[in-house]
Amino acid sequence: GDSVTQMEGPVTLSEEAFLTINCTYTATGYPSLFWYVQYPGEGLQLLLKATKADDKGSNKGFEATYRKETTSFHLEKGSVQVSDSAVYFCALIIGSQGNLIFGKGTKLSVKP
Amino acid sequence: KAGVTQTPRYLIKTRGQQVTLSCSPISGHRSVSWYQQTPGQGLQFLFEYFSETQRNKGNFPGRFSGRQFSNSRSEMNVSTLELGDSALYLCASSLEVSGANVLTFGAGSRLTVL
Repeated sequence: GDSVTQMEGPVTLSEEAFLTINCTYTATGYPSLFWYVQYPGEGLQLLLKATKADDKGSNKGFEATYRKETTSFHLEKGSVQVSDSAVYFCALIIGSQGNLIFGKGTKLSVKP
Repeated sequence: KAGVTQTPRYLIKTRGQQVTLSCSPISGHRSVSWYQQTPGQGLQFLFEYFSETQRNKGNFPGRFSGRQFSNSRSEMNVSTLELGDSALYLCASSLEVSGANVLTFGAGSRLTVL
């Protein structure tokens, strides 16, 4: 079945460090890919998305490129801030009427 | 523009009781989905409603049910509560357009079953 695998956390970085969170997927169709972020005590917020191969989603300094050949959608940020500390979820959806399938989440802690 | 509103935010129940959670979607959104989030299982899809009809359903027992009203507001109900039902229940709404179906989530209802 369709699934998302993302790197286990927690990930601890110093402020201004480079961030990569790996995400790979398995899908029977042509998925759209998403990164959601969850801050403590809150729901999920859409961080970025990509709907087709080679699309690059970007927002707030975060980027991810939809790589069909490697079935990957890795999240990157060049310089993290303490305020980026949160749990990050990679997810996919097939078509316009499917449900979101999430990875397990990766907790990021950024130290000053 | 108001976001997705879920009520109540927190609630405590005892085993065997039942609970109803409410979700008001973003104005104009006709699709409402529910997800359960637990530390062990992560985020799991419960069901999705569109125009008052259940369109998709996840792999949960029949104790979990939902409905959607004509104004797109949705409720989910869990009967005969078990300890394992303790979780954050997240509601999401979407405005379906061609291409990616982008879900906007509410803050969640945190249920504790004692």
